[in-house]
Amino acid sequence: EPEVTQTPSHQVTQMGQEVILRCVPISNHLYFYWYRQILGQKVEFLVSFYNNEISEKSEIFDDQFSVERPDGSNFTLKIRSTKLEDSAMYFCASRENINSPLHFGNGTRLTVT
Amino acid sequence: DAKTTQPTSMDCAEGRAANLPCNHSTISGNEYVYWYRQIHSQGPQYIIHGLKNNETNEMASLIITEDRKSSTLILPHATLRDTAVYYCIVRARSSGDKLTFGTGTRLAVRP
Repeated sequence: EPEVTQTPSHQVTQMGQEVILRCVPISNHLYFYWYRQILGQKVEFLVSFYNNEISEKSEIFDDQFSVERPDGSNFTLKIRSTKLEDSAMYFCASRENINSPLHFGNGTRLTVT
Repeated sequence: DAKTTQPTSMDCAEGRAANLPCNHSTISGNEYVYWYRQIHSQGPQYIIHGLKNNETNEMASLIITEDRKSSTLILPHATLRDTAVYYCIVRARSSGDKLTFGTGTRLAVRP
């Protein structure tokens, strides 16, 4: 069964550094998402992306965050200047169309020191 | 999207049916009930969804009451690998992209 894949599985970075989290959504999917989960807390929506533009974003997704689909297969989340509170699991998800269920990757654990 | 209420935790014996309840008393007519689960350290996994009819797939069954104010996810023969947090989410397809996750029910399957 096709999967959403995320790399790296674990990223450690220093506060203030830029980090890029990478995702390869399922190949025929058109809608792409990033969620995050701080340890012990709920899964939180960050952003959705369709037709090469952001369709919705949460309050968490401020100017430090950006997303890009640089080619036909990758979908990236960039955090420009990481803060300690950005430490979390970041999940990428995709869906084939607006009515189909979301498929999530297994996440990247980001640790900011 | 309507709010949902789920028990914080449940357990069941391996091989028995696990019945996970969800209350969504403020659900409106165009809102679907979705179930996802999250096994430790993994991403959420879609299980099943429905509008008003009961649904069944290879993973589970979804029973929605006639008034749609509550539903039950049934795992017919729970295994140890079904130990996870189960999320009941109510969402209208027209309400935008995002899913809003609550705290879910932590299901522990005992050997």
